[in-house]
Amino acid sequence: NAGVTQTPKFQVLKTGQSMTLQCAQDMNHNSMYWYRQDPGMGLRLIYYSASEGTTDKGEVPNGYNVSRLNKREFSLRLESAAPSQTSVYFCASSEGVSAEQYFGPGTSLTVT
Amino acid sequence: AQSVTQPDIHITVSEGASLELRCNYSYGATPYLFWYVQSPGQGLQLLLKYFSGDTLVQGIKGFEAEFKRSQSSFNLRKPSVHWSDAAEYFCAVGGNNRKLIWGLGTSLAVNP
Repeated sequence: NAGVTQTPKFQVLKTGQSMTLQCAQDMNHNSMYWYRQDPGMGLRLIYYSASEGTTDKGEVPNGYNVSRLNKREFSLRLESAAPSQTSVYFCASSEGVSAEQYFGPGTSLTVT
Repeated sequence: AQSVTQPDIHITVSEGASLELRCNYSYGATPYLFWYVQSPGQGLQLLLKYFSGDTLVQGIKGFEAEFKRSQSSFNLRKPSVHWSDAAEYFCAVGGNNRKLIWGLGTSLAVNP
């Protein structure tokens, strides 16, 4: 039981490049989330998926797209990376209304 | 507006001393309350949660928190801090919409 896994752990991109961050959970949770964490700004929600087949914008969705591929997997795509997207990205999952969220280990992304 | 405030950005305590981290929230409905801990370079781990019932909740690693509705607070406490408790601590509040509102975190340093 791995919980929430994320790949890659580290990534360096040049401005304008694209990439997809992968997230998978093996807890059979319905809800999944993508956050970014920046120094002094806490966790900010980018997108979330309340259940398979649905996605909704969070607090900071601009520059990102998501895909809920199936119940297990929720990917985050940067179509044209910008230096402002340098951050640590966390995926999380939860089950039930307002249940606790379980986090992956994070992806550290640097855009030069 | 819904919000979570952690008034202390950084706290330093001596090993063996007691600890209290403050969390105040503003939320229109009955809140669900959480404390998470993040060690350097790691994801977030749930310490404890409050949904209903006894307002004093026990968590992992010897932590406890008390929900005070009249003060809109959910402060985290530990009677005797260990060096391994040095980490970032986040308070979060949620309702019935599957999303959490996060505080900006309190960084805890422990002096030997």
